[in-house]
Amino acid sequence: EAQVTQNPRYLITVTGKKLTVTCSQNMNHEYMSWYRQDPGLGLRQIYYSMNVEVTDKGDVPEGYKVSRKEKRNFPLILESPSPNQTSLYFCASSPTVEAEAFFGQGTRLTVV
Amino acid sequence: GENVEQHPSTLSVQEGDSAVIKCTYSDSASNYFPWYKQELGKRPQLIIDIRSNVGEKKDQRIAVTLNKTAKHFSLHITETQPEDSAVYFCAASMGTGGFKTIFGAGTRLFVKA
Repeated sequence: EAQVTQNPRYLITVTGKKLTVTCSQNMNHEYMSWYRQDPGLGLRQIYYSMNVEVTDKGDVPEGYKVSRKEKRNFPLILESPSPNQTSLYFCASSPTVEAEAFFGQGTRLTVV
Repeated sequence: GENVEQHPSTLSVQEGDSAVIKCTYSDSASNYFPWYKQELGKRPQLIIDIRSNVGEKKDQRIAVTLNKTAKHFSLHITETQPEDSAVYFCAASMGTGGFKTIFGAGTRLFVKA
């Protein structure tokens, strides 16, 4: 089954404790993105990747890192989480940037 | 920077009526305009999309129109049903010079039975 899988689904952590949210897709897509969703602000792109070892900043990259060592995986790293990073996060993949994006189930992160 | 404005933020219609959601984008390099539907507690899913070389596209009760000159695109849902109740997002993507995808803030559609 074609899918994008994120883990964990829910995470509560403390300020400053490094965390990683994993994302994996099995559709051989080249383009992958991370978004955060906040009420009234829609989906804001954090980082995107055009292909292996090619990543670039989206609109809200501050406080986040990503890597793309393999085509299928695109982890999101928060080196020192802060309460303003409390949000719902979605990973998405698509064949190219100009194609349908398939979203993961979402990760609800709370930083206290 | 690039921006996509979406209106209205909330829309309430009677079952069977039509619903229209409008978006305006700022970057003329945008070439791909998808619409996503997000039901409560679920992930966004594509319902229709349009490319810059097409002015209109229809899929059953859903249609999208694009005016590239004015940088406007709209979603039209006819004969609305209660299951159309959801949040709808428009987006604009560009394949050159940025490779970003910018989403609108979303429209919460209520269809009253």
